[in-house]
Amino acid sequence: GIQVEQSPPDLILQEGANSTLRCNFSDSVNNLQWFHQNPWGQLINLFYIPSGTKQNGRLSATTVATERYSLLYISSSQTTDSGVYFCAVERGNDMRFGAGTRLTVKP
Amino acid sequence: ETGVTQTPRHLVMGMTNKKSLKCEQHLGHNAMYWYKQSAKKPLELMFVYNFKEQTENNSVPSRFSPECPNSSHLFLHLHTLQPEDSALYLCASSHGVELFFGSGTQLSVL
Repeated sequence: GIQVEQSPPDLILQEGANSTLRCNFSDSVNNLQWFHQNPWGQLINLFYIPSGTKQNGRLSATTVATERYSLLYISSSQTTDSGVYFCAVERGNDMRFGAGTRLTVKP
Repeated sequence: ETGVTQTPRHLVMGMTNKKSLKCEQHLGHNAMYWYKQSAKKPLELMFVYNFKEQTENNSVPSRFSPECPNSSHLFLHLHTLQPEDSALYLCASSHGVELFFGSGTQLSVL
Protein backbone atom coordinates (compact mmCIF):
# COMPACT_ATOMS: atom_id res chain seq x y z
CA GLY A 1 0.00 0.00 0.00
CA ILE A 2 0.89 3.65 -0.18
CA GLN A 3 3.45 4.93 2.34
CA VAL A 4 2.95 8.23 4.18
CA GLU A 5 5.74 9.97 6.08
CA GLN A 6 5.32 13.08 8.17
CA SER A 7 8.02 15.33 9.50
CA PRO A 8 9.06 16.42 11.97
CA PRO A 9 7.60 13.90 14.43
CA ASP A 10 7.69 16.46 17.23
CA LEU A 11 7.83 20.24 17.19
CA ILE A 12 7.97 22.71 20.07
CA LEU A 13 7.31 26.37 19.37
CA GLN A 14 7.03 29.59 21.27
CA GLU A 15 3.69 31.34 20.88
CA GLY A 16 3.77 33.62 17.87
CA ALA A 17 6.25 31.57 15.87
CA ASN A 18 5.61 30.15 12.40
CA SER A 19 6.01 26.52 11.39
CA THR A 20 5.91 24.19 8.41
CA LEU A 21 4.81 20.56 8.61
CA ARG A 22 5.55 18.16 5.79
CA CYS A 23 3.80 15.08 4.40
CA ASN A 24 5.52 12.86 1.83
CA PHE A 25 3.72 10.04 0.06
CA SER A 26 5.01 7.22 -2.07
CA ASP A 27 2.55 7.16 -4.97
CA SER A 28 0.05 9.31 -6.82
CA VAL A 29 -3.09 10.04 -4.83
CA ASN A 30 -6.60 11.23 -5.59
CA ASN A 31 -7.29 12.64 -2.13
CA LEU A 32 -5.22 14.32 0.57
CA GLN A 33 -6.50 15.76 3.82
CA TRP A 34 -4.90 17.44 6.82
CA PHE A 35 -6.37 16.90 10.28
CA HIS A 36 -5.70 18.37 13.71
CA GLN A 37 -6.22 16.16 16.77
CA ASN A 38 -6.59 18.21 19.93
CA PRO A 39 -5.30 17.00 23.32
CA TRP A 40 -8.78 15.55 24.04
CA GLY A 41 -8.68 13.30 21.00
CA GLN A 42 -11.01 15.20 18.67
CA LEU A 43 -9.91 15.08 15.03
CA ILE A 44 -10.86 18.13 13.00
CA ASN A 45 -10.66 18.27 9.24
CA LEU A 46 -8.44 21.23 8.29
CA PHE A 47 -8.04 20.96 4.54
CA TYR A 48 -9.06 18.76 1.65
CA ILE A 49 -6.20 19.48 -0.74
CA PRO A 50 -5.26 16.89 -3.39
CA SER A 51 -3.40 19.65 -5.25
CA GLY A 52 -2.80 23.38 -5.16
CA THR A 53 -2.91 25.83 -2.27
CA LYS A 54 -5.62 26.72 0.22
CA GLN A 55 -5.73 29.14 3.12
CA ASN A 56 -7.95 29.33 6.17
CA GLY A 57 -7.01 32.09 8.59
CA ARG A 58 -3.55 31.45 10.03
CA LEU A 59 -3.34 28.05 8.38
CA SER A 60 -2.53 27.29 4.80
CA ALA A 61 -1.64 24.16 2.87
CA THR A 62 0.06 23.37 -0.40
CA THR A 63 0.13 20.04 -2.20
CA VAL A 64 2.53 19.40 -5.07
CA ALA A 65 1.02 16.20 -6.39
CA THR A 66 3.66 15.67 -9.09
CA GLU A 67 6.40 15.67 -6.43
CA ARG A 68 4.32 13.72 -3.90
CA TYR A 69 4.35 16.04 -0.94
CA SER A 70 2.14 18.42 0.96
CA LEU A 71 2.99 21.20 3.38
CA LEU A 72 0.93 22.67 6.19
CA TYR A 73 1.88 26.18 7.30
CA ILE A 74 0.92 27.57 10.68
CA SER A 75 1.57 31.27 11.18
CA SER A 76 1.56 33.23 14.45
CA SER A 77 1.03 30.01 16.41
CA GLN A 78 -1.20 29.97 19.49
CA THR A 79 -1.34 27.57 22.42
CA THR A 80 -4.63 26.24 21.05
CA ASP A 81 -2.75 25.00 17.98
CA SER A 82 -1.13 22.33 20.16
CA GLY A 83 -1.98 18.74 19.32
CA VAL A 84 -1.15 16.24 16.61
CA TYR A 85 -1.40 17.07 12.92
CA PHE A 86 -2.15 14.17 10.59
CA CYS A 87 -1.91 13.90 6.87
CA ALA A 88 -4.15 11.30 5.19
CA VAL A 89 -3.85 10.26 1.56
CA GLU A 90 -6.13 8.15 -0.57
CA ARG A 91 -5.32 6.14 -3.67
CA GLY A 92 -8.36 4.44 -5.12
CA ASN A 93 -10.27 3.27 -2.05
CA ASP A 94 -7.15 2.85 0.09
CA MET A 95 -6.77 5.69 2.61
CA ARG A 96 -3.66 5.85 4.79
CA PHE A 97 -2.74 8.14 7.64
CA GLY A 98 0.73 9.33 8.50
CA ALA A 99 2.09 8.94 12.02
CA GLY A 100 1.52 12.62 12.69
CA THR A 101 3.48 15.64 13.89
CA ARG A 102 3.01 16.44 17.57
CA LEU A 103 3.04 20.22 17.99
CA THR A 104 3.45 21.92 21.36
CA VAL A 105 3.04 25.69 21.49
CA LYS A 106 4.35 27.25 24.68
CA PRO A 107 3.02 30.57 26.04
CA GLU B 1 -18.79 20.01 16.97
CA THR B 2 -18.26 17.92 13.85
CA GLY B 3 -21.76 16.42 13.58
CA VAL B 4 -20.50 12.95 14.54
CA THR B 5 -21.30 11.85 18.09
CA GLN B 6 -19.70 8.90 19.86
CA THR B 7 -20.64 7.31 23.16
CA PRO B 8 -19.36 6.45 25.64
CA ARG B 9 -16.42 8.82 25.85
CA HIS B 10 -14.48 6.42 28.08
CA LEU B 11 -14.89 2.70 28.69
CA VAL B 12 -13.10 0.29 30.99
CA MET B 13 -13.88 -3.37 30.56
CA GLY B 14 -12.62 -6.76 31.61
CA MET B 15 -11.61 -9.39 29.11
CA THR B 16 -14.81 -11.37 29.66
CA ASN B 17 -17.18 -8.42 29.28
CA LYS B 18 -19.41 -7.55 26.33
CA LYS B 19 -19.88 -3.89 25.50
CA SER B 20 -20.87 -1.76 22.53
CA LEU B 21 -19.62 1.54 21.15
CA LYS B 22 -22.13 3.82 19.47
CA CYS B 23 -21.71 6.38 16.72
CA GLU B 24 -24.33 8.70 15.26
CA GLN B 25 -23.91 11.22 12.46
CA HIS B 26 -26.21 14.15 11.77
CA LEU B 27 -24.64 15.16 8.46
CA GLY B 28 -26.64 13.09 5.98
CA HIS B 29 -23.52 11.19 4.96
CA ASN B 30 -23.72 7.83 3.26
CA ALA B 31 -20.46 6.27 4.49
CA MET B 32 -19.36 5.49 8.04
CA TYR B 33 -16.08 4.15 9.36
CA TRP B 34 -14.45 2.70 12.46
CA TYR B 35 -10.78 3.53 13.08
CA LYS B 36 -8.44 2.36 15.83
CA GLN B 37 -5.77 4.69 17.19
CA SER B 38 -3.09 3.08 19.35
CA ALA B 39 -0.25 4.93 21.01
CA LYS B 40 2.65 5.69 18.67
CA LYS B 41 0.88 4.17 15.63
CA PRO B 42 -0.98 5.70 12.68
CA LEU B 43 -4.74 5.46 12.57
CA GLU B 44 -5.84 2.04 11.40
CA LEU B 45 -9.01 1.60 9.36
CA MET B 46 -11.15 -1.23 10.75
CA PHE B 47 -14.50 -1.19 8.94
CA VAL B 48 -16.27 0.80 6.24
CA TYR B 49 -20.00 0.92 5.57
CA ASN B 50 -21.55 2.49 2.48
CA PHE B 51 -25.33 2.87 2.49
CA LYS B 52 -25.48 0.35 5.39
CA GLU B 53 -23.49 -2.28 3.50
CA GLN B 54 -20.08 -3.29 4.78
CA THR B 55 -17.60 -2.66 2.02
CA GLU B 56 -14.38 -3.19 3.93
CA ASN B 57 -13.20 -5.32 6.82
CA ASN B 58 -9.53 -4.64 7.28
CA SER B 59 -8.53 -8.03 8.74
CA VAL B 60 -10.07 -7.19 12.08
CA PRO B 61 -10.37 -10.00 14.68
CA SER B 62 -13.86 -11.41 15.14
CA ARG B 63 -14.00 -10.16 18.73
CA PHE B 64 -14.88 -6.82 17.08
CA SER B 65 -18.31 -6.96 15.43
CA PRO B 66 -19.72 -3.92 13.60
CA GLU B 67 -23.38 -3.18 13.02
CA CYS B 68 -24.92 -0.50 10.82
CA PRO B 69 -28.72 -0.50 11.18
CA ASN B 70 -29.14 2.65 9.06
CA SER B 71 -26.97 5.25 7.38
CA SER B 72 -26.93 7.47 10.51
CA HIS B 73 -25.92 4.92 13.14
CA LEU B 74 -22.95 2.65 13.56
CA PHE B 75 -22.10 0.30 16.41
CA LEU B 76 -19.00 -1.65 17.35
CA HIS B 77 -19.78 -4.65 19.53
CA LEU B 78 -16.92 -5.85 21.69
CA HIS B 79 -16.48 -9.23 23.37
CA THR B 80 -13.61 -11.13 24.94
CA LEU B 81 -11.15 -8.36 24.18
CA GLN B 82 -7.45 -8.48 24.97
CA PRO B 83 -5.37 -5.85 26.79
CA GLU B 84 -3.66 -4.96 23.48
CA ASP B 85 -7.08 -3.83 22.20
CA SER B 86 -6.85 -0.83 24.53
CA ALA B 87 -6.90 2.22 22.25
CA LEU B 88 -8.91 5.21 21.09
CA TYR B 89 -11.71 4.05 18.76
CA LEU B 90 -12.81 6.72 16.33
CA CYS B 91 -15.92 6.82 14.19
CA ALA B 92 -16.02 8.90 11.03
CA SER B 93 -18.48 9.67 8.27
CA SER B 94 -18.17 11.03 4.76
CA HIS B 95 -20.17 11.97 1.71
CA GLY B 96 -17.61 11.99 -1.03
CA VAL B 97 -14.02 12.57 -0.07
CA GLU B 98 -13.83 14.45 3.23
CA LEU B 99 -13.88 12.61 6.54
CA PHE B 100 -15.54 13.97 9.66
CA PHE B 101 -14.59 12.33 12.97
CA GLY B 102 -16.31 11.88 16.29
CA SER B 103 -14.52 12.53 19.57
CA GLY B 104 -13.68 8.87 20.04
CA THR B 105 -14.09 6.30 22.79
CA GLN B 106 -11.01 5.72 24.93
CA LEU B 107 -11.13 2.00 25.67
CA SER B 108 -9.13 0.30 28.39
CA VAL B 109 -9.18 -3.50 28.61
CA LEU B 110 -8.06 -4.89 31.96
